[in-house]
Amino acid sequence: EPEVTQTPSHQVTQMGQEVILRCVPISNHLYFYWYRQILGQKVEFLVSFYNNEISEKSEIFDDQFSVERPDGSNFTLKIRSTKLEDSAMYFCASSGARGFGETQYFGPGTRLLVL
Amino acid sequence: KNQVEQSPQSLIILEGKNCTLQCNYTVSPFSNLRWYKQDTGRGPVSLTIMTFSENTKSNGRYTATLDADTKQSSLHITASQLSDSASYICVVSAAGAGSYQLTFGKGTKLSVIP
Repeated sequence: EPEVTQTPSHQVTQMGQEVILRCVPISNHLYFYWYRQILGQKVEFLVSFYNNEISEKSEIFDDQFSVERPDGSNFTLKIRSTKLEDSAMYFCASSGARGFGETQYFGPGTRLLVL
Repeated sequence: KNQVEQSPQSLIILEGKNCTLQCNYTVSPFSNLRWYKQDTGRGPVSLTIMTFSENTKSNGRYTATLDADTKQSSLHITASQLSDSASYICVVSAAGAGSYQLTFGKGTKLSVIP
C-alpha cells in the first residue's frame, strides 16, 4: 500500500541553525500538508500546498518557515533559524483531493530537537 | 475560535471489552469530522470520515457517530484488542472561503490490558 515517507526520522540541531525536513508524498496525490505536534500536545496545522504554491497557512507558519516541492516527488519544510520552541514532531501528509471528504495520509514524522 | 474537546483524556480497559470515546466541537462552518488512530511515535491513521448528513459510520470494530445538531461525536470500539492501544484523535474540518483546515483534539489515550 502506498505510504508517505519522511526523512530524517530524528534531527537534533543547535538553536539558530537551519533545518530541512523532507517528505515523499503518495505518488498520485496533489495536495500536501505539514503539521507539528509538540510533545504531549495536539497536532497543529502548519501549511497546505497545491499546484506549487501555498494554499493555506496557520499563524504558526511565520517567515521562518518555508515549503518547497523541488522536484516531482519531494516536499520539504525549511526552518531558517530554529528556536527552542520549534522542538516537536513534524508530520507531512498528502491527499488526492481537498476539502469535502478527502483522507489525508500522514507520514511517520520527523522528531526535531532544538538545543 | 474553532475547538475540539475530547474525553476522557485517558482510558484503561481489559482486552475484549468495549469502550466509547467522546468528542465535542465548536468548529464552524462544519465540513466533516474524522477519527484518527495514532500509535506512539507514529503519524495519525484515518479510521472514519463523516459529513454533515451522516450520523454513523463503521470501520471494522470501530463505529463512529455524529450528531451535528449538538456538535458531538463518539467512537465506539468493540471487542478491544491489545493492538487498539493508541491515542484516538477527533479531527474536525471547517469549510468556507477555500479553507479546509483541520482542527485536532488532544486525543484520548487508550490502553488495552490483558
